[in-house]
Amino acid sequence: GEDVEQSLFLSVREGDSSVINCTYTDSSSTYLYWYKQEPGAGLQLLTYIFSNMDMKQDQRLTVLLNKKDKHLSLRIADTQTGDSAIYFCAESPWGYQKVTFGIGTKLQVIP
Amino acid sequence: NAGVTQTPKFRVLKTGQSMTLLCAQDMNHEYMYWYRQDPGMGLRLIHYSVGEGTTAKGEVPDGYNVSRLKKQNFLLGLESAAPSQTSVYFCASSTGTSGANGDTQYFGPGTRLTVL
Repeated sequence: GEDVEQSLFLSVREGDSSVINCTYTDSSSTYLYWYKQEPGAGLQLLTYIFSNMDMKQDQRLTVLLNKKDKHLSLRIADTQTGDSAIYFCAESPWGYQKVTFGIGTKLQVIP
Repeated sequence: NAGVTQTPKFRVLKTGQSMTLLCAQDMNHEYMYWYRQDPGMGLRLIHYSVGEGTTAKGEVPDGYNVSRLKKQNFLLGLESAAPSQTSVYFCASSTGTSGANGDTQYFGPGTRLTVL
């Protein structure tokens, strides 16, 4: 079955860049998502990328996709304390709405 | 728009008790989902629904039942609660179409359930 893997924890200093990595196994993945979960809240979509794209940039966020290696990364530039949260990588194939989530990476930003 | 709401926010049950968690969405979404989130396990899909009157099993359906009598509501029931069902439960909804945003899921704030 589909599998999405992420590291559990990342710690960075405020102002540095954060890079959260994810690998997935489903070669039919069409959409790859990054969700953010703040403490005590539900998940919220941060950004997404189509599988036919290599990169997507949205303000401080950069998503890189290496389709050959099935590797996805989320880079947050100038990381702020408000970026402290759990970040979930997720994937879904085209035409089928089952989304597979990773375990989540907890980002800790040190002031 | 309230988005996705969940009732209640917190609940403590004794083993063997039953309860129903209510999820409501006002976005006219076709698809609705129930997940549970446990430390170190990420999100696991319990049941989902692709439209009013339909339900389907997810990854961890045992011990739970669901109903989708109205398009905007998705109920999750625990008939006989067990300590292993202590978790945070999230409801989500989506359009069910692979449009420009893929099939973005919109999540509720969660229900924290403890079974003693």
